[in-house]
Amino acid sequence: ILNVEQSPQSLHVQEGDSTNFTCSFPSSNFYALHWYRWETAKSPEALFVMTLNGDEKKKGRISATLNTKEGYSYLYIKGSQPEDSATYLCAPSGGSNYKLTFGKGTLLTVNP
Amino acid sequence: DAGITQSPRHKVTETGTPVTLRCHQTENHRYMYWYRQDPGHGLRLIHYSYGVKDTDKGEVSDGYSVSRSKTEDFLLTLESATSSQTSVYFCAISDPGLAGYNEQFFGPGTRLTVL
Repeated sequence: ILNVEQSPQSLHVQEGDSTNFTCSFPSSNFYALHWYRWETAKSPEALFVMTLNGDEKKKGRISATLNTKEGYSYLYIKGSQPEDSATYLCAPSGGSNYKLTFGKGTLLTVNP
Repeated sequence: DAGITQSPRHKVTETGTPVTLRCHQTENHRYMYWYRQDPGHGLRLIHYSYGVKDTDKGEVSDGYSVSRSKTEDFLLTLESATSSQTSVYFCAISDPGLAGYNEQFFGPGTRLTVL
């Protein structure tokens, strides 16, 4: 079982603020890092999958970076909107391609 | 959206009774997974399957069994439900051969309450 840490656990921001959170994972035996967005009462939805050190991905106002050597990834949201309110999960896969280990997530609340 | 359904969506049962949850997919994906979601724990893998009749344990498999007799169906059974198994259960599917990096697609979840 991989040790996956996400910080902060929760975050409250105002509409228009930019924010970021962190996912830390073991750097050894790394294969890929997934980010998911999980709205309350819905199912997790994939945002990004990242594999290479230095990878950067972007989808609209959301972007992510990856550092496999030190074992962390950052997720950034620019100009947060209330509809960005969700739990953001990261999940590395280490060594095997078929199992993900999910972090406990960062709960983002964007106040209008 | 990936074609994944779970049944039932909600269930209330009593301690000691057997319960079976069903996950059905129409995507012909090779891998299927059962997770449970609990406050403070996030998503934890119970069991997974990498093909028909091929299954393996996840990190919280005690008290659960699974079966996969067809590509499209993955069943999770609680042989004798306990209150600690009250949770929301999610099924997920993936096919690394298609996506390359095992992006998983999740079903809508089943809320199980064991009284």
